[in-house]
Amino acid sequence: GAGVSQSPSNKVTEKGKDVELRCDPISGHTALYWYRQRLGQGLEFLIYFQGNSAPDKSGLPSDRFSAERTGESVSTLTIQRTQQEDSAVYLCASSFRDREAGELFFGEGSRLTVL
Amino acid sequence: AQSVAQPEDQVNVAEGNPLTVKCTYSVSGNPYLFWYVQYPNRGLQFLLKYITGDNLVKGSYGFEAEFNKSQTSFHLKKPSALVSDSALYFCAVRGAAGNKLTFGGGTRVLVKP
Repeated sequence: GAGVSQSPSNKVTEKGKDVELRCDPISGHTALYWYRQRLGQGLEFLIYFQGNSAPDKSGLPSDRFSAERTGESVSTLTIQRTQQEDSAVYLCASSFRDREAGELFFGEGSRLTVL
Repeated sequence: AQSVAQPEDQVNVAEGNPLTVKCTYSVSGNPYLFWYVQYPNRGLQFLLKYITGDNLVKGSYGFEAEFNKSQTSFHLKKPSALVSDSALYFCAVRGAAGNKLTFGGGTRVLVKP
């Protein structure tokens, strides 16, 4: 597809289970971002990938959160031992270049509910 | 650390009236500033950006924003609001030398017929 694709769109899980969220960026986009949006709140930066550079993990809230990206393609965000406070919409975005352009293209998000 | 403040949680305006959504920022060096809109159950869509040049930036759907360096503001405006403009609006900032795009908490706009 032409846009950023995220899956699953909705995920309900039990506390303590691991979840994996997937993001397919727009082809050719070198930069990829993950954000978290809690209900009624703004976007919280989680992690940023740019090409083959080391990712900026400064926003990951705990060591239960990790993310990977293979080259300039798919990224997965993994949350281990989920907690109820992890419930949120996880948004992925990509862009052609990190600098100058800056325009991010967002997916529609993966809504995670931890029971 | 960079930050964005959107002081209004919600803005109500009558259709046809001007709309303003406020944003102030804090960042080291020259700012790159953005506005995004989020319609219900949809992802964020880019509206406009300020990188350099003219302080008045025009974007999608008739929106514009004015960069004011002295007031560190980047307010979003539309001369005549439509009911379809009802959505959640986010201001974002990044330093020219940085990577991370920091978002404000969002302002919900409700345009009444």
